Amino acid sequence: TQLLEQSPQFLSIQEGENLTVYCNSSSVFSSLQWYRQEPGEGPVLLVTVVTGGEVKKLKRLTFQFGDARKDSSLHITAAQPGDTGLYLCAGALGLAGTASKLTFGTGTRLQVTL
Amino acid sequence: NAGVMQNPRHLVRRRGQEARLRCSPMKGHSHVYWYRQLPEEGLKFMVYLQKENIIDESGMPKERFSAEFPKEGPSILRIQQVVRGDSAAYFCASSLIRGVLNTEAFFGQGTRLTVV
Repeated sequence: TQLLEQSPQFLSIQEGENLTVYCNSSSVFSSLQWYRQEPGEGPVLLVTVVTGGEVKKLKRLTFQFGDARKDSSLHITAAQPGDTGLYLCAGALGLAGTASKLTFGTGTRLQVTL
Repeated sequence: NAGVMQNPRHLVRRRGQEARLRCSPMKGHSHVYWYRQLPEEGLKFMVYLQKENIIDESGMPKERFSAEFPKEGPSILRIQQVVRGDSAAYFCASSLIRGVLNTEAFFGQGTRLTVV
């Protein structure tokens, strides 16, 4: 069973601080997705990265896919209370052009306080 | 374009009863996935279906659990003779084949099953 390890597991920071969440595996993924999940809700897709070394920006969020496509990071600049939630990375092992199941990371629970 | 719709949102069943969870994928999506999230745990893959076909059921318990995605209508996850350990949030996701972004999966709000 492939395993995606996320770190840190928990993070409590103040508004305005920067943070980075890591997602690591020994497996190579064809693509990797980041989700945010709030209590009582389903995961909401933030971004998909496909190419090794790829960097994508979504407002204050920067996502990077490792060169070897085994790891990824999420960096948040100037965190806001609205960023609070559970952040999940999920890797797909399927070949390009095919759909496949996702292997989810262990999750990082972020709390941003005023 | 409506998102992935799951119902019911909350389901309470007594031990031994059957639970039926429904999922309507996003319009135009023909791939459906079911995941289970136990309290304080991550999401675990259960089953992947296309219309009328089970593609990958490697995450499904061997007994009491079944899934279908008929030609018409929603996908159904059925749990027979529920036990307390089945209490969890069950999420459905759907995706559409479209080149390299073929694995983008969009999730519903989940069904929270409580077995009493």
